Amino acid sequence: EVQLVESGGGLVQPGGSLRLSCVGSGFIFSAHWMSWVRQAPGKGLQWVANVKQDGSQKYYADSVKGRFIISRDNAENSLSLQMNSLTADDTAVYFCTSSLYDFWSGRFDNWGQGTLVTVAS
Amino acid sequence: QSVLTQPPSVSETPGQRVTISCSGSNSNIPTKYVSWYQQLPGLAPKLLIYRNDQRPSGVPDRFSGSKSGTSASLAISGVRSEDEGDYYCAAWDDSLNGPVFGGGTKLTVL
Repeated sequence: EVQLVESGGGLVQPGGSLRLSCVGSGFIFSAHWMSWVRQAPGKGLQWVANVKQDGSQKYYADSVKGRFIISRDNAENSLSLQMNSLTADDTAVYFCTSSLYDFWSGRFDNWGQGTLVTVAS
Repeated sequence: QSVLTQPPSVSETPGQRVTISCSGSNSNIPTKYVSWYQQLPGLAPKLLIYRNDQRPSGVPDRFSGSKSGTSASLAISGVRSEDEGDYYCAAWDDSLNGPVFGGGTKLTVL
């Protein structure tokens, strides 16, 4: 069974930083491209960033470009999201997702339970 | 304002068929795969449809997807109370160079 478990969420002040982590199990982690998708309270889904299987290519939503960094460690089956210069607009539940196919699509096969990030003073 | 447009809400009585629309533009739906997600209250989203009309293993055949031009649709036949939740469409957008989601549709089973 595919499992994705996120951690690292919490309360952070505006302008601060936070690092999210996601550990995958039950599948060949290195074969999947990975993404972060977020959902602000009471709002819809928004793609944040994704990274290809070997980590060589990374893509970001305009709203986080230059502030967030996605990375992966296939040896540890882990995905990370370093978030810097946080603002209230970054307040959301952050989901870790994985997919085997269709990188250039809106397909996200597997989802974690999410971790809440709250940016407030 | 979402790139993909969905109705905010739909409702239907149990056993009936309900459809949810997803309207896009030339930079996404016509040339890209559309996916659909179900998010039940308090849970993470779940992939319901991929590649426009394909169901992952375990998704009942009551759920079906279709696409035509700049629009896509999700149909749920024989709707049940346990189907109540939010439904999202998604596709890659060439202009934004990334995946985009619809704003979501809340399904209420009366």
